[in-house]
Amino acid sequence: DAGVIQSPRHEVTEMGQEVTLRCKPISGHDYLFWYRQTMMRGLELLIYFNNNVPIDDSGMPEDRFSAKMPNASFSTLKIQPSEPRDSAVYFCASSLAGETGELFFGEGSRLTVL
Amino acid sequence: QKEVEQNSGPLSVPEGAIASLNCTYSDRVSQSFFWYRQYSGKSPELIMSIYSNGDKEDGRFTAQLNKASQYVSLLIRDSQPSDSATYLCAVNTVGGATNKLIFGTGTLLAVQP
Repeated sequence: DAGVIQSPRHEVTEMGQEVTLRCKPISGHDYLFWYRQTMMRGLELLIYFNNNVPIDDSGMPEDRFSAKMPNASFSTLKIQPSEPRDSAVYFCASSLAGETGELFFGEGSRLTVL
Repeated sequence: QKEVEQNSGPLSVPEGAIASLNCTYSDRVSQSFFWYRQYSGKSPELIMSIYSNGDKEDGRFTAQLNKASQYVSLLIRDSQPSDSATYLCAVNTVGGATNKLIFGTGTLLAVQP
């Protein structure tokens, strides 16, 4: 299996622009997670899906952030409008059901908002 | 108070020594605990899990859990330069079938050759 695939790997944009990050989870995984990582705040859970349904979006910072999972093999995280404080590495991870604690992370999307 | 707390380090140890990494958590109902390793510029990967009080050993790694004190630790014996990375403590705050993990900010470990 190719693992979790994220795109783009790097994104540089200007404040106010729309940003869309994409994720393809591992085939057969039931759960998909979006995390954001910064030096100051570490790895923060933004939202997670179970069988394409959003379960908990309490970590989404504000209404500028939205996430969708239209099918089992694709998810997007959108920021509109983007702000400099959104600069971070955004990770997508997927897992099977079961309390194994094993999340398979993608390589991340490094976002820089100028 | 953060849900999962770790000392950010860096923790510097000489090659061959024991590295001790610590983590505390705030949610008393948490049942499962994990250690992830993240190399610079890479994504986190799971290295250890622990579910019950006591020690769990896997090769050079030992995870320790004390639920009464809400404390988790990771010991790395015979530390190698290749162990230099950030170690993230993670707690499952939901349990059941869901791997909803809350991570600490990580401890940077530097093993000096």
